[in-house]
Amino acid sequence: EVHLLESGGGLVQPGGSLRLSCAGSGFIFDTYGMAWVRRTPGRGLEWVSAISATGRTTYYADSVRGRFIISRDNSNSTLFLQMNGLRVEDTALYFCAKAPERIIAFFDYWGPGALVTVS
Amino acid sequence: DIQMTQSPSTLAAFVGDRVTITCRASHNIGKWVAWYQHRPGKAPHLLIYETSSLKSGVPSRFSGGGSGTEFTLTISSLQPEDFATYYCQQYTNSWTFGQGTTVEIK
Repeated sequence: EVHLLESGGGLVQPGGSLRLSCAGSGFIFDTYGMAWVRRTPGRGLEWVSAISATGRTTYYADSVRGRFIISRDNSNSTLFLQMNGLRVEDTALYFCAKAPERIIAFFDYWGPGALVTVS
Repeated sequence: DIQMTQSPSTLAAFVGDRVTITCRASHNIGKWVAWYQHRPGKAPHLLIYETSSLKSGVPSRFSGGGSGTEFTLTISSLQPEDFATYYCQQYTNSWTFGQGTTVEIK
């Protein structure tokens, strides 16, 4: 059974940094694209960043490009999101999500989320 | 950017009701739409992809339809566990979600 579990959330001041992790299990981690999606009360779900199965190709939403860095450690089945220059509007519940194949389209499994509060 | 607009934002219904949620895309996105269910405190759950393909294990009371710019998610007979927030998502050009529709108990 596929499991995704985020960690690393917390309270941080504006301008600060946090690193989210997502541990994957129950699937062959290095054969699937992965992504981070966040949910805010006012804006609903917002795609943040995505990464190819190999890690060689990355994608970022305009709102986080230049501040966030997505990466993955396929040997340890872990996805990361390094968040720098955090802003109040980055406050959200951050979900790790798995694509159904190498191509990143929709997301067939999600974690329960990690709360990031910037205040 | 492709915008996805869901309606209604909130929907109150009885157990057993048939409910339909609509999602409109700002551009033609063909059939590349997915639908998710999200209950508070839980991981979001994929229901439907490619407009109308049901994910394995999802009850058949859920169905999806549409094409181009207008899409629907229908629950044929609402069950207690279906009270949640539902999101559409396009994956033609980047990835964009609708703002969500919360289905509440009437």
